[in-house]
Amino acid sequence: DAGVTQSPTHLIKTRGQQVTLRCSPKSGHDTVSWYQQALGQGPQFIFQYYEEEERQRGNFPDRFSGHQFPNYSSELNVNALLLGDSALYLCASSLASRGFTGELFFGEGSRLTVL
Amino acid sequence: GQNIDQPTEMTATEGAIVQINCTYQTSGFNGLFWYQQHAGEAPTFLSYNVLDGLEEKGRFSSFLSRSKGYSYLLLKELQMKDSASYLCAVRPRGNNDMRFGAGTRLTVKP
Repeated sequence: DAGVTQSPTHLIKTRGQQVTLRCSPKSGHDTVSWYQQALGQGPQFIFQYYEEEERQRGNFPDRFSGHQFPNYSSELNVNALLLGDSALYLCASSLASRGFTGELFFGEGSRLTVL
Repeated sequence: GQNIDQPTEMTATEGAIVQINCTYQTSGFNGLFWYQQHAGEAPTFLSYNVLDGLEEKGRFSSFLSRSKGYSYLLLKELQMKDSASYLCAVRPRGNNDMRFGAGTRLTVKP
Protein backbone atom coordinates (compact mmCIF):
# COMPACT_ATOMS: atom_id res chain seq x y z
CA ASP A 1 0.00 0.00 0.00
CA ALA A 2 1.80 3.09 -1.25
CA GLY A 3 1.88 6.01 1.11
CA VAL A 4 1.98 9.66 0.13
CA THR A 5 4.69 10.32 -2.44
CA GLN A 6 6.13 13.69 -3.36
CA SER A 7 8.53 14.90 -6.01
CA PRO A 8 11.07 16.29 -6.29
CA THR A 9 12.64 15.70 -2.88
CA HIS A 10 15.05 18.61 -3.17
CA LEU A 11 15.32 21.54 -5.54
CA ILE A 12 17.10 24.85 -5.81
CA LYS A 13 15.63 27.89 -7.53
CA THR A 14 16.52 31.56 -7.83
CA ARG A 15 14.37 34.53 -6.89
CA GLY A 16 11.64 35.29 -9.38
CA GLN A 17 11.48 31.78 -10.78
CA GLN A 18 8.48 29.48 -10.65
CA VAL A 19 8.28 26.00 -9.16
CA THR A 20 5.88 23.05 -9.39
CA LEU A 21 5.75 20.38 -6.71
CA ARG A 22 3.85 17.13 -7.13
CA CYS A 23 2.03 14.80 -4.79
CA SER A 24 0.32 11.43 -5.06
CA PRO A 25 -1.96 10.69 -2.11
CA LYS A 26 -2.13 7.50 -0.13
CA SER A 27 -4.07 4.79 -1.94
CA GLY A 28 -7.81 5.28 -1.35
CA HIS A 29 -7.52 8.90 -0.20
CA ASP A 30 -9.37 11.64 -2.03
CA THR A 31 -8.28 14.82 -0.26
CA VAL A 32 -4.92 16.54 -0.51
CA SER A 33 -3.62 19.34 1.70
CA TRP A 34 -0.40 21.29 1.27
CA TYR A 35 1.68 22.68 4.12
CA GLN A 36 4.79 24.84 4.32
CA GLN A 37 7.24 24.06 7.11
CA ALA A 38 10.03 26.50 7.84
CA LEU A 39 13.05 25.28 9.77
CA GLY A 40 12.22 24.83 13.45
CA GLN A 41 8.53 25.58 12.94
CA GLY A 42 5.36 23.57 12.65
CA PRO A 43 3.65 23.05 9.29
CA GLN A 44 1.55 25.99 8.06
CA PHE A 45 -1.59 25.25 6.04
CA ILE A 46 -1.53 26.49 2.45
CA PHE A 47 -4.67 24.97 0.93
CA GLN A 48 -6.73 21.81 0.56
CA TYR A 49 -8.13 20.17 -2.56
CA TYR A 50 -11.12 17.88 -2.83
CA GLU A 51 -13.00 16.85 -5.94
CA GLU A 52 -10.54 18.82 -8.03
CA GLU A 53 -11.44 22.09 -6.32
CA GLU A 54 -9.74 24.22 -3.70
CA ARG A 55 -11.90 23.65 -0.64
CA GLN A 56 -10.07 25.82 1.84
CA ARG A 57 -7.13 28.19 1.80
CA GLY A 58 -4.74 29.40 4.47
CA ASN A 59 -3.08 32.78 4.76
CA PHE A 60 -0.84 32.54 1.71
CA PRO A 61 -0.63 34.97 -1.24
CA ASP A 62 -2.00 34.26 -4.69
CA ARG A 63 1.51 33.35 -5.84
CA PHE A 64 0.69 29.98 -4.34
CA SER A 65 -1.72 28.02 -6.46
CA GLY A 66 -2.63 24.40 -6.89
CA HIS A 67 -4.48 21.81 -8.80
CA GLN A 68 -5.98 18.39 -8.20
CA PHE A 69 -6.34 15.84 -10.97
CA PRO A 70 -9.08 13.23 -11.48
CA ASN A 71 -6.78 10.55 -10.02
CA TYR A 72 -6.57 12.68 -6.80
CA SER A 73 -2.92 13.61 -7.31
CA SER A 74 -2.08 17.25 -6.83
CA GLU A 75 0.37 19.98 -7.74
CA LEU A 76 1.51 23.04 -5.85
CA ASN A 77 2.76 25.96 -7.94
CA VAL A 78 4.63 28.93 -6.56
CA ASN A 79 5.30 31.93 -8.82
CA ALA A 80 7.76 34.81 -8.42
CA LEU A 81 9.77 32.97 -5.78
CA LEU A 82 11.08 34.92 -2.80
CA LEU A 83 13.92 34.01 -0.47
CA GLY A 84 11.32 33.51 2.26
CA ASP A 85 9.70 30.72 0.28
CA SER A 86 12.60 28.46 1.19
CA ALA A 87 11.05 25.68 3.25
CA LEU A 88 9.95 22.07 3.34
CA TYR A 89 6.67 21.67 1.45
CA LEU A 90 4.58 18.83 2.80
CA CYS A 91 1.69 17.15 1.11
CA ALA A 92 -0.85 15.37 3.29
CA SER A 93 -3.70 13.15 2.20
CA SER A 94 -6.87 12.16 3.98
CA LEU A 95 -10.26 10.59 3.35
CA ALA A 96 -13.15 13.04 3.18
CA SER A 97 -15.61 10.48 4.52
CA ARG A 98 -13.66 10.38 7.81
CA GLY A 99 -14.70 13.96 8.33
CA PHE A 100 -13.03 15.94 11.05
CA THR A 101 -11.75 12.89 12.88
CA GLY A 102 -9.55 11.73 10.04
CA GLU A 103 -5.85 12.07 10.55
CA LEU A 104 -3.50 13.39 7.91
CA PHE A 105 -0.92 11.16 6.24
CA PHE A 106 2.14 13.14 5.21
CA GLY A 107 4.66 12.66 2.47
CA GLU A 108 8.39 13.10 3.01
CA GLY A 109 8.22 16.60 1.58
CA SER A 110 9.96 18.65 -1.07
CA ARG A 111 12.73 20.84 0.27
CA LEU A 112 12.87 24.08 -1.71
CA THR A 113 15.84 26.41 -1.48
CA VAL A 114 15.52 29.85 -3.09
CA LEU A 115 18.80 31.66 -3.76
CA GLY B 1 -7.44 32.44 15.71
CA GLN B 2 -5.69 29.51 17.23
CA ASN B 3 -2.54 30.04 19.32
CA ILE B 4 -0.89 26.75 20.05
CA ASP B 5 1.93 26.77 22.57
CA GLN B 6 4.39 23.99 23.36
CA PRO B 7 7.82 23.98 24.96
CA THR B 8 10.59 24.36 22.39
CA GLU B 9 12.91 21.69 23.72
CA MET B 10 12.95 18.93 26.32
CA THR B 11 15.56 16.39 27.39
CA ALA B 12 14.91 13.08 29.12
CA THR B 13 16.75 9.88 29.98
CA GLU B 14 16.29 6.52 28.31
CA GLY B 15 13.75 4.41 30.21
CA ALA B 16 12.15 7.43 31.88
CA ILE B 17 8.74 9.08 31.40
CA VAL B 18 8.28 12.49 29.79
CA GLN B 19 5.21 14.70 29.48
CA ILE B 20 4.97 17.23 26.65
CA ASN B 21 2.36 19.92 27.26
CA CYS B 22 0.32 21.85 24.73
CA THR B 23 -2.02 24.77 25.35
CA TYR B 24 -4.30 26.29 22.77
CA GLN B 25 -6.81 29.09 22.39
CA THR B 26 -9.72 28.46 20.08
CA SER B 27 -13.42 29.18 20.06
CA GLY B 28 -14.14 25.62 19.10
CA PHE B 29 -12.45 22.69 17.54
CA ASN B 30 -13.04 19.23 16.14
CA GLY B 31 -10.16 17.47 17.77
CA LEU B 32 -6.58 17.64 18.95
CA PHE B 33 -3.86 15.63 17.27
CA TRP B 34 -0.29 14.71 18.15
CA TYR B 35 2.30 13.97 15.48
CA GLN B 36 5.90 12.77 15.70
CA GLN B 37 8.49 14.09 13.26
CA HIS B 38 12.03 12.78 13.06
CA ALA B 39 14.58 15.14 11.56
CA GLY B 40 14.26 15.24 7.79
CA GLU B 41 11.21 12.99 7.76
CA ALA B 42 7.45 13.33 7.40
CA PRO B 43 5.24 13.88 10.46
CA THR B 44 3.51 10.66 11.51
CA PHE B 45 0.22 10.46 13.39
CA LEU B 46 0.40 9.46 17.07
CA SER B 47 -2.95 10.21 18.69
CA TYR B 48 -6.30 11.98 18.50
CA ASN B 49 -8.49 13.36 21.29
CA VAL B 50 -11.90 14.91 20.85
CA LEU B 51 -13.40 14.27 24.29
CA ASP B 52 -11.87 15.08 27.66
CA GLY B 53 -9.76 12.37 29.14
CA LEU B 54 -6.88 10.07 28.46
CA GLU B 55 -6.29 8.03 25.33
CA GLU B 56 -3.70 5.29 25.68
CA LYS B 57 -1.85 3.64 22.83
CA GLY B 58 1.05 1.47 23.92
CA ARG B 59 3.88 3.55 25.35
CA PHE B 60 2.16 6.77 24.29
CA SER B 61 -0.84 8.41 25.96
CA SER B 62 -2.55 11.70 25.23
CA PHE B 63 -4.78 13.74 27.51
CA LEU B 64 -7.24 16.50 26.71
CA SER B 65 -9.07 19.07 28.81
CA ARG B 66 -11.27 21.18 26.56
CA SER B 67 -12.36 23.52 29.34
CA LYS B 68 -8.73 24.36 30.10
CA GLY B 69 -7.51 24.38 26.50
CA TYR B 70 -4.83 21.92 27.50
CA SER B 71 -3.40 18.66 26.27
CA TYR B 72 -0.35 16.59 27.00
CA LEU B 73 1.47 13.71 25.38
CA LEU B 74 2.96 11.18 27.76
CA LEU B 75 5.79 8.95 26.61
CA LYS B 76 6.73 6.01 28.84
CA GLU B 77 9.79 3.77 28.83
CA LEU B 78 11.64 6.21 26.63
CA GLN B 79 13.85 4.80 23.90
CA MET B 80 16.61 6.52 21.96
CA LYS B 81 14.44 6.35 18.82
CA ASP B 82 11.89 8.60 20.54
CA SER B 83 14.24 11.53 19.97
CA ALA B 84 12.16 13.64 17.58
CA SER B 85 9.93 16.69 17.37
CA TYR B 86 6.41 16.31 18.70
CA LEU B 87 3.75 18.47 17.08
CA CYS B 88 0.46 19.41 18.70
CA ALA B 89 -2.30 20.32 16.24
CA VAL B 90 -5.96 21.34 16.40
CA ARG B 91 -8.65 21.12 13.76
CA PRO B 92 -10.80 24.23 14.19
CA ARG B 93 -14.55 23.77 14.14
CA GLY B 94 -15.98 24.30 10.69
CA ASN B 95 -12.56 24.04 9.07
CA ASN B 96 -10.90 21.29 7.14
CA ASP B 97 -7.34 22.33 7.86
CA MET B 98 -5.15 21.48 10.80
CA ARG B 99 -3.26 24.12 12.78
CA PHE B 100 0.11 23.06 14.18
CA GLY B 101 2.20 24.30 17.04
CA ALA B 102 5.91 24.90 16.48
CA GLY B 103 6.73 21.51 17.95
CA THR B 104 8.73 20.27 20.93
CA ARG B 105 12.13 18.82 20.16
CA LEU B 106 12.74 15.90 22.52
CA THR B 107 16.23 14.52 23.07
CA VAL B 108 16.54 11.16 24.79
CA LYS B 109 19.92 10.57 26.39
CA PRO B 110 21.43 7.26 27.53
